[in-house]
Amino acid sequence: KNEVEQSPQNLTAQEGEFITINCSYSVGISALHWLQQHPGGGIVSLFMLSSGKKKHGRLIATINIQEKHSSLHITASHPRDSAVYICAVRFLPYSGGGADGLTFGKGTHLIIQP
Amino acid sequence: EAQVTQNPRYLITVTGKKLTVTCSQNMNHEYMSWYRQDPGLGLRQIYYSMNVEVTDKGDVPEGYKVSRKEKRNFPLILESPSPNQTSLYFCASSFFPGTGGSSYNSPLHFGNGTRLTVT
Repeated sequence: KNEVEQSPQNLTAQEGEFITINCSYSVGISALHWLQQHPGGGIVSLFMLSSGKKKHGRLIATINIQEKHSSLHITASHPRDSAVYICAVRFLPYSGGGADGLTFGKGTHLIIQP
Repeated sequence: EAQVTQNPRYLITVTGKKLTVTCSQNMNHEYMSWYRQDPGLGLRQIYYSMNVEVTDKGDVPEGYKVSRKEKRNFPLILESPSPNQTSLYFCASSFFPGTGGSSYNSPLHFGNGTRLTVT
């Protein structure tokens, strides 16, 4: 079964620190999503990537297709960034992935302390 | 407001009593999907649908049914719930390739979740 690995599993940092969360996957993909899940449980889509880099406010997402790796960065982190960050990939058909389903990483639990 | 509406938010039921969790979206999305989220296991796909009358199994379909009779609705049916189906459930939707967007290039929109407890 194709895998999506996230690291670290848990991360505690001080307000203002630069945060990096990593996602690696096993075979070719057509898209990679970064999701944010707040303590209340709701899930919000942050980015969808198929190549390159995207930026939204203090959040930056990058993907390296050749290395099968993506990173989510948070600059000037703030306590309100505390959440679980989830990487999800859509594997290419015929690469061993499902027909069109998404596979999720187990998430990174981020706590930003004031 | 563009949204995915899931109901109910909380549900406690007993083993064997059929239940339905509803999911509706108002964005004209072709793609809809159901997931369950369990501690230590993350989100796992139950079923998905590419369009009306087209549904496919995800990673953990056993014990669940779905239907897609209309584009906006994608209910999740548990015919005979069991305690191992106690979980947090999410519905999501997005566009499908080539029709005003692409699920390959389209963000996912999630419902607020349904916390199901089966005793």
